[in-house]
Order: sequence, then structure tokens, then C-alpha cells
Amino acid sequence: DAMVIQNPRYQVTQFGKPVTLSCSQTLNHNVMYWYQQKSSQAPKLLFHYYDKDFNNEADTPDNFQSRRPNTSFCFLDIRSPGLGDAAMYLCATSRDGGGNTEAFFGQGTRLTVV
Amino acid sequence: DQQVKQNSPSLSVQEGRISILNCDYTNSMFDYFLWYKKYPAEGPTFLISISSIKDKNEDGRFTVFLNKSAKHLSLHIVPSQPGDSAVYFCAASAYMDSNYQLIWGAGTKLIIKP
Repeated sequence: DAMVIQNPRYQVTQFGKPVTLSCSQTLNHNVMYWYQQKSSQAPKLLFHYYDKDFNNEADTPDNFQSRRPNTSFCFLDIRSPGLGDAAMYLCATSRDGGGNTEAFFGQGTRLTVV
Repeated sequence: DQQVKQNSPSLSVQEGRISILNCDYTNSMFDYFLWYKKYPAEGPTFLISISSIKDKNEDGRFTVFLNKSAKHLSLHIVPSQPGDSAVYFCAASAYMDSNYQLIWGAGTKLIIKP
């Protein structure tokens, strides 16, 4: 009974070829997040949705886009992946985005760029 | 500019002994601190949190201590068990730019030796 599901678990894409990662949730949470995590580094927030409101982090490259067509689903689109975009991408949800609100994470998608 | 630092990339502890994981921060605006645990090939899971108005929070074998004057917090696990072997992330939350921002440390890999 996974609550935050990311597909695929592993994704290999070619340099410059658009790729989409998906995330779904069964928790009916208002907030969905996308993080990028590189080896031995802190997870880096790319953007988040509070319901339909999109919030982009200031330093997230334009190459990264997101869509949230409904409460349950959220997509991460990388328009032209570079070698530096190879990382683990984590999707998370939280009920209300408050400072002490627990976030629930998916298992992540490991992206390889060749 | 790392606002949340976990200076020990790894820590090895004998089973049954106490594990102490440390975290330092620089931003005095942080009002909540959270610890997450991550097993390989899984997303992080919430472990325990503490409000900045408290100096201790306890949940079973896990206790978090906060020293605001030193901008330091620590997670104590007593007694340590083999299943505690994981990467532990410290994260700090503050309300900035009309949103709660959650800043993560790079994690400490805890290894419990039998």
C-alpha cells in the first residue's frame, strides 16, 4: 500500500532528449514536491505545488518544468537533459506544507543521462 | 551557502550503544527541525521533529535535543539496533518568501555493527 508512487524507478535517457518522470499519491495531500538529489548531497527542492499553485525555486533551471493535472498526479519534465542532470529525483507530498508537516516520499527515480 | 550542515558523512556504532547524530545550522529564523531516515533504494521517511521553542523531544528510542544558542541539534538513538543502519537527514524549516522553506543537510550514514 504505497502512498507516493514514482515511475519509473530507473530511467535512462539520451543527452538532450526530453524525459518525463511521474509521481502519484493516494494520500489526497494538497502539496506535492519535486527534489533533486545527487550523490552524498542534500536533497534540493526544484519546485512544489500547493494545490494548483505552482512555486518554482529561484535557482531551478528553466530546463525543468512541472505539471499537476489533478490532486493525485504530478510530473517532472526535463526538456533537454544534460549530463549534470543525472541524479535521483524524489517526489514528496504533505498535507498542508506547514513548517512542521511531515512529508511523505516516493522511492525516487534514478535518472541516467547517456 | 549551506544553512544546514551535517559534518559527519558517516558514523559507525556498536549495536546496543548510543548513536548520536549531529546537525548545525546558521539561520536563526528556522522554527522547526526534522529528522528523516533513508534506506537504500527508498525515499526518506519522517522520524522525529522539534519546535524551536523546545529543547528536547522524545519518541521511544529516539530523542532530539536542540541548543538554540549554539545553533546545534542532535539525534540520539538508544539503544542502537541493526535496523537503524540508514542515512539520516537533518532538515530545518522557516517561513520565507511566502512559503515554508525546508532546508536539508547532506545526511549522515549510520552503520550499526553487530
